[in-house]
Amino acid sequence: AQSVAQPEDQVNVAEGNPLTVKCTYSVSGNPYLFWYVQYPNRGLQFLLKYITGDNLVKGSYGFEAEFNKSQTSFHLKKPSALVSDSALYFCAVRSAGGTSYGKLTFGQGTILTVHP
Amino acid sequence: NAGVMQNPRHLVRRRGQEARLRCSPMKGHSHVYWYRQLPEEGLKFMVYLQKENIIDESGMPKERFSAEFPKEGPSILRIQQVVRGDSAAYFCASSPPGTRGGEQFFGPGTRLTVL
Repeated sequence: AQSVAQPEDQVNVAEGNPLTVKCTYSVSGNPYLFWYVQYPNRGLQFLLKYITGDNLVKGSYGFEAEFNKSQTSFHLKKPSALVSDSALYFCAVRSAGGTSYGKLTFGQGTILTVHP
Repeated sequence: NAGVMQNPRHLVRRRGQEARLRCSPMKGHSHVYWYRQLPEEGLKFMVYLQKENIIDESGMPKERFSAEFPKEGPSILRIQQVVRGDSAAYFCASSPPGTRGGEQFFGPGTRLTVL
């Protein structure tokens, strides 16, 4: 079975400060990892993914994430937060193999609030 | 290229009625996924379909729920005899063929309210 944990329900940061949203995962075999953002009453927007290669992945809107295999983590980061980054962030994992390769498993989500 | 389209965006049903949710994937995408987001919870996988085939329905409730993706037309998620616990946001996602490592593109969702 695959699972994702986002240990923080909420993250608060001041505008201009760096932000980190944490994610750890469990999956059989190699993982495919994703971050999505959801604004109120909207669908999910894709931010970035890790499939293979460099552990540091760069994505949309200045976000990046670091894959750490030994710690089974995929934390989302941004060097300088904007008020407009305030939203609900989801980490997701899927297995690279097996019969459930289409199934994304999501974490519970982290509400990011960036204060002016 | 239009994104994933879902309709209706909002659906109100009384207990015992049927709900039909439609999803048109992005152009060129042949894989469709349905997820459910209950209040205060994350998204839960329901079903994965390709044209005319159900690939993985491990997240579907065993009763009242069904899904299809016909050769022509949108994918349909059907809920029979709805109950209040079915109230949720239902999201559809799609992906192109041959991209097992690729991201899924999500629609805006259908918010179902059961009175």
